[in-house]
Amino acid sequence: GENVEQHPSTLSVQEGDSAVIKCTYSDSASNYFPWYKQELGKRPQLIIDIRSNVGEKKDQRIAVTLNKTAKHFSLHITETQPEDSAVYFCAASNSNSGYALNFGKGTSLLVTP
Amino acid sequence: DTGVSQDPRHKITKRGQNVTFRCDPISEHNRLYWYRQTLGQGPEFLTYFQNEAQLEKSRLLSDRFSAERPKGSFSTLEIQRTEQGDSAMYLCASGSSGANVLTFGAGSRLTVL
Repeated sequence: GENVEQHPSTLSVQEGDSAVIKCTYSDSASNYFPWYKQELGKRPQLIIDIRSNVGEKKDQRIAVTLNKTAKHFSLHITETQPEDSAVYFCAASNSNSGYALNFGKGTSLLVTP
Repeated sequence: DTGVSQDPRHKITKRGQNVTFRCDPISEHNRLYWYRQTLGQGPEFLTYFQNEAQLEKSRLLSDRFSAERPKGSFSTLEIQRTEQGDSAMYLCASGSSGANVLTFGAGSRLTVL
């Protein structure tokens, strides 16, 4: 089955700096890669996603890049703000398994003022 | 329809008791997923339904766990003879057929004493 590795497990940045979180996946059939943000005690919320036919996608301060050959994808957050502090999860899925998401272990991001 | 609803939000039970969780997906979504999340970990896939059919089950879903979606709308997840290791957040998510995006509920937190 799919195995998703996520690094780092914790990340501390100063407000205004950029944050980068990296994930690798094992199943070459995976074709959908979402990122979820989970604040303490709350549900995971989709913040951005990318499909395998696209190499990069950007939404305001958030961007995701995908390298299918190397089987890795990354989340980039620019101009970080304290409200960006949360746990971020990457995931991978494919249509063969009904788009069931396989998640990484998460990155706890702390943005200090 | 405001999203995915889960009930109860919290359940405390004694070891050996049975518990049941309910999930009401977004009404137009025909796919429904159950995940388990323990502290500091990413959500782990348990099972998913397309309409009323249960199409995939994880190895994590022991024979003490059973899930149903009898009319293709709401779903229930029952855990029989609970063990302390079952303590976790049980998350439900739903999605549309042919679409990748999953929307999560707020979860049902189980504590087994």
